[in-house]
Amino acid sequence: AQRVTQPEKLLSVFKGAPVELKCNYSYSGSPELFWYVQYSRQRLQLLLRHISRESIKGFTADLNKGETSFHLKKPFAQEEDSAMYYCALPPLSGNTGKLIFGQGTTLQVKP
Amino acid sequence: KAGVTQTPRYLIKTRGQQVTLSCSPISGHRSVSWYQQTPGQGLQFLFEYFSETQRNKGNFPGRFSGRQFSNSRSEMNVSTLELGDSALYLCASSRGRADTGELFFGEGSRLTVL
Repeated sequence: AQRVTQPEKLLSVFKGAPVELKCNYSYSGSPELFWYVQYSRQRLQLLLRHISRESIKGFTADLNKGETSFHLKKPFAQEEDSAMYYCALPPLSGNTGKLIFGQGTTLQVKP
Repeated sequence: KAGVTQTPRYLIKTRGQQVTLSCSPISGHRSVSWYQQTPGQGLQFLFEYFSETQRNKGNFPGRFSGRQFSNSRSEMNVSTLELGDSALYLCASSRGRADTGELFFGEGSRLTVL
C-alpha cells in the first residue's frame, strides 16, 4: 500500500543553518509527490510538487527513486520558515482528490 | 477568487451528540475532500466527493458520513460523537482532474467533544 513516512516530528535549527526535512514513501510505479506547508494561523497550502521542479521560497525537493525519498531542503533557514510541513502523494488510481499525507514535521527556526 | 469556506469554525459538543460541518469549495471546483487533523495522527483522509458522488473513502467508522450538493458544496456528519473525535476537520477542494495535484484547503472546523 502507498505510504508516506516523515521520521521527524520536530526539527529545530538556527537561522542561517541548512534544513532538510525527510520524507520516505512506498509506492508502486512513479509517484507524484508534494510538500504542503501550514504556517501558524494559516491554511494548509501547497509548497511544491516534484513534477514542476521549482524552487519555492528557497526550498527544493528531489525525488530519489532508488532511496524512495523526497526530502525537502533549504540551504539557509529563515525564521519565517517555521511551520508544519507535510509530504504527500496521491493513491495509485491517480485521483488527487485524495492525498496520502505523512504525519508532518514541525520546523522551528530559532533566531 | 474566494477560497474554501468552512463553517462553523469552532464548536463544542458532548459525547453521543451529532455534528454537521459545512464546506463551500472554490468556484469551479467539483471535488471536495475531507481530512481529520490531530496532533497524534496528522492528516487522515475521510472521504472525497466529486459531482455529488463519493469517489473515495478513508478508514473511518460509519459514524462519519458526508454528501455533496449539486452546487459542489459539501457537508460531513459525525453521529454518536466520541471523545476521540475531537480534531480539526479540514475541507479541501480541487478541480478533480487527476493531473492537477493541488488541493486548496479551508481554515477548518475545530470540534471539541466533552
